[in-house]
Amino acid sequence: NAGVTQTPKFQVLKTGQSMTLQCAQDMNHEYMSWYRQDPGMGLRLIHYSVGAGITDQGEVPNGYNVSRSTTEDFPLRLLSAAPSQTSVYFCASRLRDFTDTQYFGPGTRLTVL
Amino acid sequence: AQKVTQAQTEISVVEKEDVTLDCVYETRDTTYYLFWYKQPPSGELVFLIRRNSFDEQNEISGRYSWNFQKSTSSFNFTITASQVVDSAVYFCALTNSSWVTGGGNKLTFGTGTQLKVEL
Repeated sequence: NAGVTQTPKFQVLKTGQSMTLQCAQDMNHEYMSWYRQDPGMGLRLIHYSVGAGITDQGEVPNGYNVSRSTTEDFPLRLLSAAPSQTSVYFCASRLRDFTDTQYFGPGTRLTVL
Repeated sequence: AQKVTQAQTEISVVEKEDVTLDCVYETRDTTYYLFWYKQPPSGELVFLIRRNSFDEQNEISGRYSWNFQKSTSSFNFTITASQVVDSAVYFCALTNSSWVTGGGNKLTFGTGTQLKVEL
């Protein structure tokens, strides 16, 4: 198993540009989520999905869109990048329930100029 | 509501010292799970341990041990005979059975403790 994979590893955008952060898992996990990590703030939930076709907002969803057309993939779209979205983004997945361990991808370091 | 507090922002020790990282949590649920993750300088998040609220037995894995005390809502992590490779940010996290708006059964993280182990 490759586990949870993310691309790209690094990205620099200009304000107003859009882009998609890719996330995939090969563990047949139903639950997938996106977090952002900022200094001194731990990890905050952006969006999550409990299965293909089902997504919902987390704590900090503004400026981000997600979709889940397959079990494996959960892309995160930045609609119009802003400097406040400079962060490290982590995708994570778990089998199903809150009792299951959540596994994280390697992260994407995004800088918005 | 659920909350995780890691009051120690940064800890520095000399190699071979023992070190304990504190984690205090808040939840109204009786069924919950606690986790520790390690984030080395390379940046990835590595799962270390999962513990459910009904199992208060302490756990030991090599130089790592975890002390879960429901009476004080704490889930502390001790590294015995620390090594330079233990240098990382360590996160404590909590999830429970309650479905909340803006998160579902989300995993709530503390702000992390930066551990520096020096020679």
